[in-house]
Amino acid sequence: TQLLEQSPQFLSIQEGENLTVYCNSSSVFSSLQWYRQEPGEGPVLLVTVVTGGEVKKLKRLTFQFGDARKDSSLHITAAQPGDTGLYLCAGSNTGNQFYFGTGTSLTVIP
Amino acid sequence: DTGVSQDPRHKITKRGQNVTFRCDPISEHNRLYWYRQTLGQGPEFLTYFQNEAQLEKSRLLSDRFSAERPKGSFSTLEIQRTEQGDSAMYLCASSHRQGRDYGYTFGSGTRLTVV
Repeated sequence: TQLLEQSPQFLSIQEGENLTVYCNSSSVFSSLQWYRQEPGEGPVLLVTVVTGGEVKKLKRLTFQFGDARKDSSLHITAAQPGDTGLYLCAGSNTGNQFYFGTGTSLTVIP
Repeated sequence: DTGVSQDPRHKITKRGQNVTFRCDPISEHNRLYWYRQTLGQGPEFLTYFQNEAQLEKSRLLSDRFSAERPKGSFSTLEIQRTEQGDSAMYLCASSHRQGRDYGYTFGSGTRLTVV
């Protein structure tokens, strides 16, 4: 059962543009993570957020955890071709397992 | 620290055969997880170990699936009597503490194709 909905499912943009992807759930999570996955490889952790309203920045990437800890967003500024990949959010209540969303497939065109 | 290693990277098998995958986690990580990912979907939890103890199993893990982690080091995932629906990427991940503040480190996965 997928508890996390991600939108959009697919996104294709030109290099230099900004974008935001969303991760929504009806459930409350104690922590939420964002991963990026490239074809044929495992996901790579980008960030973990644990506090409602928390904002974290990683270079051109800005992550926000919703106040109610049910949703999150990832904003990329001035996208580059190297940002291309599948972006996955994953939430947990116990820390014993994370539930993953279906992902947003991002293509940045040079 | 060479990360999480999975072997083999790819496996093609005939329906009905048994297959076994291996995962070597990061050496100081005591938690090890198995996930399955099909095309267009996010990873789905299968099971996890803390040291050698298997603490949780998903309902996705039918009786044809078994996982072990002898001595709390490497882990194996065996699928008996494979079916075409078992075709997927099998991902292993490890972490060194409860995952609230620390994320997983994933391996590159084993891509299983059942023909």
